[in-house]
Amino acid sequence: SAVISQKPSRDICQRGTSLTIQCQVDSQVTMMFWYRQQPGQSLTLIATANQGSEATYESGFVIDKFPISRPNLTFSTLTVSNMSPEDSSIYLCSVVSRGRTDTQYFGPGTRLTVL
Amino acid sequence: GENVEQHPSTLSVQEGDSAVIKCTYSDSASNYFPWYKQELGKRPQLIIDIRSNVGEKKDQRIAVTLNKTAKHFSLHITETQPEDSAVYFCAAHNAGNMLTFGGGTRLMVKP
Repeated sequence: SAVISQKPSRDICQRGTSLTIQCQVDSQVTMMFWYRQQPGQSLTLIATANQGSEATYESGFVIDKFPISRPNLTFSTLTVSNMSPEDSSIYLCSVVSRGRTDTQYFGPGTRLTVL
Repeated sequence: GENVEQHPSTLSVQEGDSAVIKCTYSDSASNYFPWYKQELGKRPQLIIDIRSNVGEKKDQRIAVTLNKTAKHFSLHITETQPEDSAVYFCAAHNAGNMLTFGGGTRLMVKP
């Protein structure tokens, strides 16, 4: 499976600021996703990161709050904008490798705390 | 959209016993069902998956069964060990290339 890295691994931020999380894969992948995992909860899909076009957001998530970029087949960023304490979560990227259509592998996650 | 229910939310077993976690899904078009194990502070790790054209799949101490008619699937862990302690998530994949996750099961294996 692909090797996935995320930066930063954790951060503590002040409310009202923004944080950009990077996801880097060591090989080209067909699909990239961003998830949120609130403390003690399951994984919730934020959006599908589309290469060369706007991300596809799930219900309850909007581009102004969570802008996403995917400039190529191995890299994506998620920005958490105008943060509030409710945004404190783990943010994970996941990928589907080339040649596959469904199996998702997760990055190590970014633990965000908003004060 | 798809809805995945997972039970139980917590499960405590004695080392060596078996553990069973059950999930139901709502979308009959779902065709792929992975299971992930998440240890504390770690990423979810894919441990086994099953596709809709088979009813059962085994990998050493882990097995998954699928009943498409009833729209439920289960994870079975035999001869549990303390290192099996983690949170387990089931998921269902539909034609829209989306994974919908269950709420998770915290498994505790007591030595």
